[in-house]
Amino acid sequence: GQQLNQSPQSMFIQEGEDVSMNCTSSSIFNTWLWYKQDPGEGPVLLIALYKAGELTSNGRLTAQFGTTRKDSFLNISASIPSDVGIYFCAGLKTGNQFYFGTGTSLTVIP
Amino acid sequence: SQTIHQWPATLVQPVGSPLSLECTVEGTSNPNLYWYRQAAGRGLQLLFYSIGIDQISSEVPQNLSASRPQDRQFILSSKKLLLSDSGFYLCAWDRGRRETQYFGPGTRLLVL
Repeated sequence: GQQLNQSPQSMFIQEGEDVSMNCTSSSIFNTWLWYKQDPGEGPVLLIALYKAGELTSNGRLTAQFGTTRKDSFLNISASIPSDVGIYFCAGLKTGNQFYFGTGTSLTVIP
Repeated sequence: SQTIHQWPATLVQPVGSPLSLECTVEGTSNPNLYWYRQAAGRGLQLLFYSIGIDQISSEVPQNLSASRPQDRQFILSSKKLLLSDSGFYLCAWDRGRRETQYFGPGTRLLVL
């Protein structure tokens, strides 16, 4: 069943603003992933995190693997209209158990 | 480079009709293959996964079945569609490490 809680569920922001979203669990994960899904398309992997405390950037995106290993965060700086979409976190646990979050829908207002 | 294809892109089917969705992967061998369903554009539900030809595992009981007749081909089927089968179906692959999972473009299914 679903073990990852993503928040916020949806966001409406002005172009140029920064965005923060997070993913939490009551369980420990070994790997955290962040995907973006454009409308009508499959999710695309943005960032993968493999170590507690790890901070990784991909352009204007920065993600962090929480030190407790139970959460992860994604930040988008200086948002642009093409950032619109649904952002999913995903986590991998011991035993190759893989879970997706419920998604954060982002709308950027020009 | 590796690519993953799904077809059809969109499908409208009447209740009770059969279904066959196809997924193929190029540029890799012995991939793990997955079928997900996404309802209302939110949340991904894993339906089936396969670690090899004719090796299929089902995650949830349902009206659907999956087959893998070739190494890089994964098929999702149903004998009789239900209204609740409507959704966005995504195929994905990886090399055995779930953190490198890549998704296809998806098939949007509408059952009327």
